[in-house]
Amino acid sequence: EVQVWQFGGGLVQPGGSLRLSCTASGFTFSNCAMSWVRQAPGKGLEWVTGISSSGGATYYADSVKGRFTISRDNSKNTLYLQMNSLSAEDTAIYYCAKAYSGTLYRFDNWGQGTLVTVSS
Amino acid sequence: QSVLTQPPSASGTPGQRVTISCSGSNSNIRSNTVNWYQQVPGTAPKLLIYSDNRRPSGVPDRFSGSKSGTSTSLAISGLQSEDEADYYCAVWDDSLNGVLFGGGTKLTVL
Repeated sequence: EVQVWQFGGGLVQPGGSLRLSCTASGFTFSNCAMSWVRQAPGKGLEWVTGISSSGGATYYADSVKGRFTISRDNSKNTLYLQMNSLSAEDTAIYYCAKAYSGTLYRFDNWGQGTLVTVSS
Repeated sequence: QSVLTQPPSASGTPGQRVTISCSGSNSNIRSNTVNWYQQVPGTAPKLLIYSDNRRPSGVPDRFSGSKSGTSTSLAISGLQSEDEADYYCAVWDDSLNGVLFGGGTKLTVL
């Protein structure tokens, strides 16, 4: 059974940093691109960033470019999101999303979501 | 503000057919395949339609997708109460070099 489980999140002050993790099982992690998608309270889905299966290519939404860094460790079946210079606009539930093998954005499995709150 | 435009709401009665539209541009919908996601409030999204009109295993054939030019649609026939959820279109945008989600459509089953 495919499982995607997220760790991290919580309350952070404006200007602060936070790292999210996402651990996967039940599939060949190194064959699948991964992404982070967020949802601000009461709002719609927003794609944040994605990474190719090998980690050789990364993609970012303009809203986070230069502040967020996506990475992965295929030996640990783990995806990361390093978030720096956080502001209130980054407050959201963050989802880790697995892409179907060979695709970049067919998100066929999602993590449970983790809440990031940026507030003083 | 999303560059993929969806109506904020839609509604129907049980058994009816409803459609949800998603309008984009040459750099996204015309150039790349579209996926649709269903999200019941408080839960993670679920893949509903991929590659414009394909259904993952387990998704009822009441759900169908279509695309023409820079627009795409999700149709739900034989509407059921459990279909009440938020629906999002998503596609790769060649200009932005990233994924775009539509603003979402809240479906109410009356």
